[in-house]
Amino acid sequence: DQQVKQNSPSLSVQEGRISILNCDYTNSMFDYFLWYKKYPAEGPTFLISISSIKDKNEDGRFTVFLNKSAKHLSLHIVPSQPGDSAVYFCAASAVYSSNTGKLIFGQGTTLQVKP
Amino acid sequence: EAQVTQNPRYLITVTGKKLTVTCSQNMNHEYMSWYRQDPGLGLRQIYYSMNVEVTDKGDVPEGYKVSRKEKRNFPLILESPSPNQTSLYFCASRPGTGGMNEQFFGPGTRLTVL
Repeated sequence: DQQVKQNSPSLSVQEGRISILNCDYTNSMFDYFLWYKKYPAEGPTFLISISSIKDKNEDGRFTVFLNKSAKHLSLHIVPSQPGDSAVYFCAASAVYSSNTGKLIFGQGTTLQVKP
Repeated sequence: EAQVTQNPRYLITVTGKKLTVTCSQNMNHEYMSWYRQDPGLGLRQIYYSMNVEVTDKGDVPEGYKVSRKEKRNFPLILESPSPNQTSLYFCASRPGTGGMNEQFFGPGTRLTVL
């Protein structure tokens, strides 16, 4: 049972345009959400996070939106750059109800930004 | 440089031959964890450790062992590898055991079991 789902395996956008990556979750106990970026032959690197007490968090070109009622979050990259081409993983955690530190990951979305 | 290191990066082995994948972090993190990444499944947690001598199972622990004798090291042991353990493995760490959960990942170990 996939608790965190990224339904788009891939996304292609033009340089300078907006990239929107989506993520859905099913477990209402999740209270902390993260996005990781992964380049080939490297480990995932933390990109941005959001707590369930917020609905938006912004860091430079990256903004994460959280819609708790819809159990949906999205990552917006504006403007997109060729160096953003990577696999993006959405992850969720139940920080306040569990001390296991477990991150539940989605399947990943491969973003290609064309020059 | 603050980092999580894993060795080996690539390994091809045969069914039943015991192997160990090492993981080390230089950030004095209490929490360490192992994940495996498989196509269409994302990353799934195998084992985690809250501190020295404290380990527990994640979602997919079958066929794996871990130990945490020192804070910096968290090796993953496959006593009798099988082909279904062919995967990409990541070690991760983070400071503390509660609160926000940004984890730092190693570069990965690609394991093939024939």
